[in-house]
Amino acid sequence: DADVTQTPRNRITKTGKRIMLECSQTKGHDRMYWYRQDPGLGLRLIYYSFDVKDINKGEISDGYSVSRQAQAKFSLSLESAIPNQTALYFCATSGPRLAGLKYFGPGTRLTVL
Amino acid sequence: QKEVEQNSGPLSVPEGAIASLNCTYSDRGSQSFFWYRQYSGKSPELIMFIYSNGDKEDGRFTAQLNKASQYVSLLIRDSQPSDSATYLCAVNMDDYKLSFGAGTTVTVRA
Repeated sequence: DADVTQTPRNRITKTGKRIMLECSQTKGHDRMYWYRQDPGLGLRLIYYSFDVKDINKGEISDGYSVSRQAQAKFSLSLESAIPNQTALYFCATSGPRLAGLKYFGPGTRLTVL
Repeated sequence: QKEVEQNSGPLSVPEGAIASLNCTYSDRGSQSFFWYRQYSGKSPELIMFIYSNGDKEDGRFTAQLNKASQYVSLLIRDSQPSDSATYLCAVNMDDYKLSFGAGTTVTVRA
């Protein structure tokens, strides 16, 4: 089984809809991250969490919220989706020190119409 | 100024040649530097990391770091068609997050 899984893998939704992207990991890592990737902009950090009670905003958190339901699960929500949130979303995990991010999920391709 | 900057490319090299990719960063206090390879539609894959000034070699890949000039580079020797991908530079500016460049697209032509 994959170390980091994301569901759904692809999603098309309409403006104004609420959508949740889910991430699960089997690495036993405390640190989990959500990034989005847009063409020509690289990966940008949305939210990160060091444990269930420690959640932090990244550089582009507006319009997003997260929930850390358990050590292994970290969900990203778009409360009211808008077209400029169309992107590829990645979840990632790391051990106690951030020596590079080695474990990425396969990504969720989100299209907001 | 972006925290991490890379030439977007595309960088086209013939098979067997050396591909040279560059990355500059803005935070002089950065300590750790990483290179990722990303195939289209796939997740990034960590291929190299470097912490100290100088060169670090791993197979056909060599990472070079110059902290005084704030740049890090990646050399791919004996380039193969399977090396065709986007290469992302990432920098650890603190212990809790990585900052990524936009990536350089490399095409290896047979």
